[in-house]
Amino acid sequence: DAKTTQPPSMDCAEGRAANLPCNHSTISGNEYVYWYRQIHSQGPQYIIHGLKNNETNEMASLIITEDRKSSTLILPHATLRDTAVYYCIVSIYNTDKLIFGTGTRLQVFP
Amino acid sequence: GAGVSQSPSNKVTEKGKDVELRCDPISGHTALYWYRQSLGQGLEFLIYFQGNSAPDKSGLPSDRFSAERTGGSVSTLTIQRTQQEDSAVYLCASSSGGAQYFGPGTRLLVL
Repeated sequence: DAKTTQPPSMDCAEGRAANLPCNHSTISGNEYVYWYRQIHSQGPQYIIHGLKNNETNEMASLIITEDRKSSTLILPHATLRDTAVYYCIVSIYNTDKLIFGTGTRLQVFP
Repeated sequence: GAGVSQSPSNKVTEKGKDVELRCDPISGHTALYWYRQSLGQGLEFLIYFQGNSAPDKSGLPSDRFSAERTGGSVSTLTIQRTQQEDSAVYLCASSSGGAQYFGPGTRLLVL
């Protein structure tokens, strides 16, 4: 079973920030938080991952709470192309298979 | 550079036939994974290869499913005596540690 809990769906206006929450209260000390997304009919796409510190790359920012029991993926300026299912996954770095939950279906509207 | 490629992109077969699905990982990636996604369902782990280690087969749904990885590169997923419930998109991913990079998938339809 997936070790994360996400809202099933969210809406966001184009150009606004999309903040996608994830709960992972049973995360272990050696487990990372990964975010992937799946645009309709495509394979999943890696977005970002982190262990304890907040992370930022060209796609998104990842904010992890100090107790590591939850995190938020931030898309700073959502576009229509960001409409997708977003998956939050906890996994041991470097070796582990991914256990996908049901994710959050983000709909970006004009 | 080139990403993960899979072939065929689509496969239609009759119930009871065997099928082979191919995955070409990103060059240099030591880890290779197979997942499947049934219509309207989430992604389900099938099997994982890491270097020369014995594969993790814990996700294979039955003994009709098998996979091999030759020379640490290309992988083939074989489904014997296909059933209608095997219809799904079969996704391959590769990794050099950390993030997994997915191919476009093979859409399998068993009639």
